[in-house]
Amino acid sequence: GAVVSQHPSWVICKSGTSVKIECRSLDFQATTMFWYRQFPKQSLMLMATSNEGSKATYEQGVEKDKFLINHASLTLSTLTVTSAHPEDSSFYICSARPARNQPQHFGDGTRLSIL
Amino acid sequence: GQQLNQSPQSMFIQEGEDVSMNCTSSSIFNTWLWYKQDPGEGPVLLIALYKAGELTSNGRLTAQFGITRKDSFLNISASIPSDVGIYFCAGPEKKTSYDKVIFGPGTSLSVIP
Repeated sequence: GAVVSQHPSWVICKSGTSVKIECRSLDFQATTMFWYRQFPKQSLMLMATSNEGSKATYEQGVEKDKFLINHASLTLSTLTVTSAHPEDSSFYICSARPARNQPQHFGDGTRLSIL
Repeated sequence: GQQLNQSPQSMFIQEGEDVSMNCTSSSIFNTWLWYKQDPGEGPVLLIALYKAGELTSNGRLTAQFGITRKDSFLNISASIPSDVGIYFCAGPEKKTSYDKVIFGPGTSLSVIP
């Protein structure tokens, strides 16, 4: 149980393009999902908390207008990297938890490469 | 804010050897989580610890919640090549919620066949 699916797994696109990443909880409902960013050989850095039916909560230093988050249903959250530039290239990972008092389960990540 | 430290940073071991790694914090955690991340994939939850002194096993993996609540240990017995990856310890920032989880910097494990 507690399966989180992320799509796509790999994206390569030109600078200036907007890229959308989807995160789905397959066997449970998630009122809250989380988006992380991970640079090579580093730990996970929380970018934002996605709340179903309301605005996302962004961590300090994360640009809201750059990383648009939409959590339109109890099983789907999307992260859109707008006008992506090479410095946005990274590994983006989402997670969700079946209940408030249960650990987060992670998707397989999306490798984003901006040329 | 709360921070987690992990040691060693990286390990190179021979297949069949036992592995031990630890995680420490300057502040108390009420839950300790151990995740493994394979290259190019998301972290997978290995073991969750909820009580000081708790010792929990998952196959060849054993983790312990330190008595001081400021540390945790993960041991892997009889390592195999598929144990390769990065092991992260983590803990929720707040006692009653997993909403914000603090991750350690990770221990990279390499297993030589």
